[in-house]
Amino acid sequence: GENVEQHPSTLSVQEGDSAVIKCTYSDSASNYFPWYKQELGKRPQLIIDIRSNVGEKKDQRIAVTLNKTAKHFSLHITETQPEDSAVYFCAAHYTGGGNKLTFGTGTQLKVEL
Amino acid sequence: IAGITQAPTSQILAAGRRMTLRCTQDMRHNAMYWYRQDLGLGLRLIHYSNTAGTTGKGEVPDGYSVSRANTDDFPLTLASAVPSQTSVYFCASSNIRNEQFFGPGTRLTVL
Repeated sequence: GENVEQHPSTLSVQEGDSAVIKCTYSDSASNYFPWYKQELGKRPQLIIDIRSNVGEKKDQRIAVTLNKTAKHFSLHITETQPEDSAVYFCAAHYTGGGNKLTFGTGTQLKVEL
Repeated sequence: IAGITQAPTSQILAAGRRMTLRCTQDMRHNAMYWYRQDLGLGLRLIHYSNTAGTTGKGEVPDGYSVSRANTDDFPLTLASAVPSQTSVYFCASSNIRNEQFFGPGTRLTVL
């Protein structure tokens, strides 16, 4: 099956700085890579995703990059704001056995004033 | 349009009791999922269903069962609850683009 590793587990940045979260996956057949943001006590919410036919996707202050050769993808948040503080999960869509996502273990992002 | 709803919001349950967590979606998504999220940990897949009438086991299926009688509903049953099943349970569904959307969660405590 698919295995997704996510780093770092915690990340603290100053407001206005950039934040980068990295994930690697194991199955080269995986073709869809979403990112979720989970605020304390809330449900995970899809914030951006990328498919295997593109290398980069941007939506305002967030962007995701994908390197299929190296099997890794990253979330970039620029001009961080306090409301960006949350846990972020990456995931990979595993095509080998059912229609499932395999999630990373999460990154606790704290944006300090 | 409600999206995905879960019930109950929270529950305290005595060990050994049977419990069914309910999940309903109105987006006509074929695929649905149940995850558990333990404190400080990520999301672990319990069971999933690619379409009505079919189900599959996820990463941590033991002690849980599901059914998928129709497109909208995907209940999760704990036949005999144990304290290690104390967790937050999220139901999710996905569209044809594999975009997965989560319900608000059920916080379950087994004493």
